[in-house]
Amino acid sequence: SQQGEEDPQALSIQEGENATMNCSYKTSINNLQWYRQNSGRGLVHLILIRSNEREKHSGRLRVTLDTSKKSSSLLITASRAADTASYFCATPGGAGGTSYGKLTFGQGTILTVHP
Amino acid sequence: EAQVTQNPRYLITVTGKKLTVTCSQNMNHEYMSWYRQDPGLGLRQIYYSMNVEVTDKGDVPEGYKVSRKEKRNFPLILESPSPNQTSLYFCASSLFRDRGGYTFGSGTRLTVV
Repeated sequence: SQQGEEDPQALSIQEGENATMNCSYKTSINNLQWYRQNSGRGLVHLILIRSNEREKHSGRLRVTLDTSKKSSSLLITASRAADTASYFCATPGGAGGTSYGKLTFGQGTILTVHP
Repeated sequence: EAQVTQNPRYLITVTGKKLTVTCSQNMNHEYMSWYRQDPGLGLRQIYYSMNVEVTDKGDVPEGYKVSRKEKRNFPLILESPSPNQTSLYFCASSLFRDRGGYTFGSGTRLTVV
């Protein structure tokens, strides 16, 4: 079952613009993670935000979490061609919104940044 | 270098021929998982493990087996592969349950003919 759903499915922007991707989920969680995947390669962990946090920053990344709306957003500022990748949100699938190792990924947003 | 190593990277096999995809991590991580990635379906968890000898089913466990006899290794076994198991497989590990992200391997592209 899909816990996280990303929106949009694909996003095409010019270098220097900001890119915003959204993730919605269905059940209560205690954290939400974002990952990046370059074509056909392994996923790379970007950031984890806990349910008691509303916003978190890491370099050019800004993640927000709204537990009342069961949604999160990933903002990449001043995008670069090297940011071209698929971006996934992941949520714990265990009881009480925690993980115990079970993690569910959304289908991802394909971001293309044109030079 | 801290990493998750999967082997092989590419594998073509025939229906019914048992195979094992190995996964090893050198970070002393407690948690390990297997995922398959298919176009239009995203990543789906096959099995996961919370520690040695502790494993549990993910969302798509049918047709797969795993074992966790040692902390560093988490092999994925296909006893009788079928064409619908053609996919890109990823192994991942994490030290923490809910405080950190997973480190992924480079993937194994499996084709069953």
